[in-house]
Order: sequence, then structure tokens, then C-alpha cells
Amino acid sequence: DIQMTQSPSSLSASVGDRVTITCRASQSVSSYLNWYQQKPGIAPKLLIYAASSLQSGVPSRFSGSGSGTDFTLTISILQPEDFATYYCQQIYTTRYSFGQGTKLEI
Amino acid sequence: QVQLVQSGAEVKKPGASVKVSCKASGYSFISYDINWVRQATGQGLEWMGWMNPNSGNTAYAQKFQGRVTITRNTSISTAYMELTSLRSEDTAVYYCARVIRGSSDYWGQGTLVTVSS
Repeated sequence: DIQMTQSPSSLSASVGDRVTITCRASQSVSSYLNWYQQKPGIAPKLLIYAASSLQSGVPSRFSGSGSGTDFTLTISILQPEDFATYYCQQIYTTRYSFGQGTKLEI
Repeated sequence: QVQLVQSGAEVKKPGASVKVSCKASGYSFISYDINWVRQATGQGLEWMGWMNPNSGNTAYAQKFQGRVTITRNTSISTAYMELTSLRSEDTAVYYCARVIRGSSDYWGQGTLVTVSS
């Protein structure tokens, strides 16, 4: 299975900051990369699909970029509701896999 | 509206099996794949497997090969995930999710499975 590695594992930031989270794949996944947000006790929410496409209803302060093995999720102006854990997921092979998560804390 | 409603919490003994259901509504069940993902307490998301409800085709993570089976009953728009030979490390919340273009856009509420002697 393809291994996905996120960095950092945790991140402290303030409201209004610009934040970038990185995801690296153990082999090329082209642009078959999703980003999810998860808050405690709630199912994950799809933010970005195909590496850079914004899911319907997701605020435009979220953006994704990258292809091949290196990807980034950027939150341009942090809002209080953005403090959560973020996961990348490759869907290049039929055996999908997630990164270990990045916890974004105040 | 699209909804995925999962069965209730389960408590199982080591070595037993568990079968979690996921009932879909608000869309054509056979038109979208289903993922199963689990999350142990305080841990990350772990993809377990995928099913095409129309064909019944499946794919499983290497880690769960031989222990997990995903099935469906199209007449009642329900997917199932069965995990056998349970051990304490299988204690987790299990989620089903609808898949579009490989992405999970709608999720069930989660089912807590506790494995304890």
C-alpha cells in the first residue's frame, strides 16, 4: 500500500494566521489526493479533492496544491472553526490510504 | 437529502466477529461506491476497504485481508462490513462513507465497536 506522511503532526497557530500542511506520498499518486477535516467526535468532512478542487460548500480560504508525491493544504486566514485535525488521503490505487493527521491547535 | 445511517454500538469478546450495517438514503445506492474507515480512540483514520454496490466488487487494505468482508443488499440500500477474529486493537469507531470520484463526500455517524473480555 502507498504510505502517506504528513508534516507537521501538530501545529499551533492563531486566528488570522496563514497555515500550510504538507503531505508526501511514498510513490507518485498523480493528483489523486484528498484532504479532510475532522473535529472531535464527528465524522470527517471532505475539503479538497483531486489535489486542488474545492468541495462544494467549503470556504475559499482553504486551498490545495501539488502533484506526484508532494502536496500542501493551505488555510489563508485561520478562523476559530478551523481548529481541527486534517488528513490527506491518496486514491491513486484502489487501496486508498490516509496520512497520520495534523492537529491544528490554538 | 443524502444520509448514511449505521447500526448501533457493539461489544464483542476477543475472537468473535462483528457486522456493522450502513443504510443509504436520498440517492441511488448502486450509483456510488462505499468506503469503510475506522478510527481508534485518539488515533488517525484508517482505510479498511471499498465496495462497488452495483457489481459487488471489493478491495481491502493489506492489513485486513482475510479478516474483513464488505457486502451489500441492494434491495434495502444497505452495505455491511464484517470483521472477524476480533482483538482488543480492533476497538474503534467504524465509519461508512459514500464515494464520488474516489472521495468520501457523505459519511455515516460512526459505530463504536469495543472488543473486551
